Amino acid sequence: RKEVEQDPGPFNVPEGATVAFNCTYSNSASQSFFWYRQDCRKEPKLLMSVYSSGNEDGRFTAQLNRASQYISLLIRDSKLSDSATYLCVVNPVYNFNKFYFGSGTKLNVKP
Amino acid sequence: DVKVTQSSRYLVKRTGEKVFLECVQDMDHENMFWYRQDPGLGLRLIYFSYDVKMKEKGDIPEGYSVSREKKERFSLILESASTNQTSMYLCASSLWSTEGGKNIQYFGAGTRLSVL
Repeated sequence: RKEVEQDPGPFNVPEGATVAFNCTYSNSASQSFFWYRQDCRKEPKLLMSVYSSGNEDGRFTAQLNRASQYISLLIRDSKLSDSATYLCVVNPVYNFNKFYFGSGTKLNVKP
Repeated sequence: DVKVTQSSRYLVKRTGEKVFLECVQDMDHENMFWYRQDPGLGLRLIYFSYDVKMKEKGDIPEGYSVSREKKERFSLILESASTNQTSMYLCASSLWSTEGGKNIQYFGAGTRLSVL
């Protein structure tokens, strides 16, 4: 079983829509969680860290559900520029210097 | 801003050639990583280094070696390139940390390697 799993999509949504992705992780002791954004043929860039209490950054909200072992990313009022692949990243508790990546969820925002 | 610089964006090599991919970071990070990224497989860790001259194998080290002689530089070496090593190679760095959330990874722009 993979450490981190994501629905590859693509999610095709119109501008202005709200869209949510989930990411499940297998190690219940995982401690740190991140969402990265990757544009086509570019490197991944940090979108946001995910805190236990949930956190928001503008139109983006990240949540952690430890009981069900998933994290989510909610994007409100989607923009064309949000089109990208979103990668979920997890640190195991025994090693904050090791990272497990999901394969990514592709989002296409259409006019 | 953290800067991670990879020496080449695109590289074309022949089967059997020795290939060097260079990565430099300017933030005094202890950790440096080499990944490859292939469609449908996501990022897979090749090697990881947490200090000068220290290295650990990742998930797919076969056919690769690494060198870290200076803190800021981490090199990936393909001893004898093969066509199945055609891929996007990404270097990353992060702080060493015992606290979650302090250890954000920063990536270089990637090297797209084609082995013919």
